[in-house]
Amino acid sequence: DADVTQTPRNRITKTGKRIMLECSQTKGHDRMYWYRQDPGLGLRLIYYSFDVKDINKGEISDGYSVSRQAQAKFSLSLESAIPNQTALYFCATMAGGKPDTQYFGPGTRLTVL
Amino acid sequence: SQQGEEDPQALSIQEGENATMNCSYKTSINNLQWYRQNSGRGLVHLILIRSNEREKHSGRLRVTLDTSKKSSSLLITASRAADTASYFCATDERAGTALIFGKGTTLSVSS
Repeated sequence: DADVTQTPRNRITKTGKRIMLECSQTKGHDRMYWYRQDPGLGLRLIYYSFDVKDINKGEISDGYSVSRQAQAKFSLSLESAIPNQTALYFCATMAGGKPDTQYFGPGTRLTVL
Repeated sequence: SQQGEEDPQALSIQEGENATMNCSYKTSINNLQWYRQNSGRGLVHLILIRSNEREKHSGRLRVTLDTSKKSSSLLITASRAADTASYFCATDERAGTALIFGKGTTLSVSS
């Protein structure tokens, strides 16, 4: 089984709808991240969490919210989706406290019509 | 804003040739990492080089870091068709904090 999983893998929704993307990990890492990827723009950080009680905004947090329900679960919500939030969304994890690599989920392709 | 900037944006080579990608960044860093992404899939870590290191090897990969020029290069030797992917550099200003990714270099290796 994959260490970092994301659900759903694909989602098409309409403008104004509330959407939740979920991420689960079995790596036992404290740190979790949400990124979005747009063509030609690389990955941009939305939110990150160092533990259940520590949530931090990233570069592009406007229009998004997150919830760290447990060490293993980190959800990203779009309260009222808009078309320019159409993108590929990635969750990632990292062990805390030292320079380390990030482990990415397979991504969720979100289309907002 | 994004920290790293890869160059070139796209690179096309033949199998067996070497591929070199460059990354420039703006602020001081704790370490620099390179990741690979196959089309539409999650990123996979390739190699990490710390700010006090100048060169590192892993299989066919060679990474250099020049902190005075705020730049790094990734060399893939004897490229294979399976190396076709996008390659991203990522930096962090403090150990264990969020990584900042560049826009990536898209490598195409034809057989």
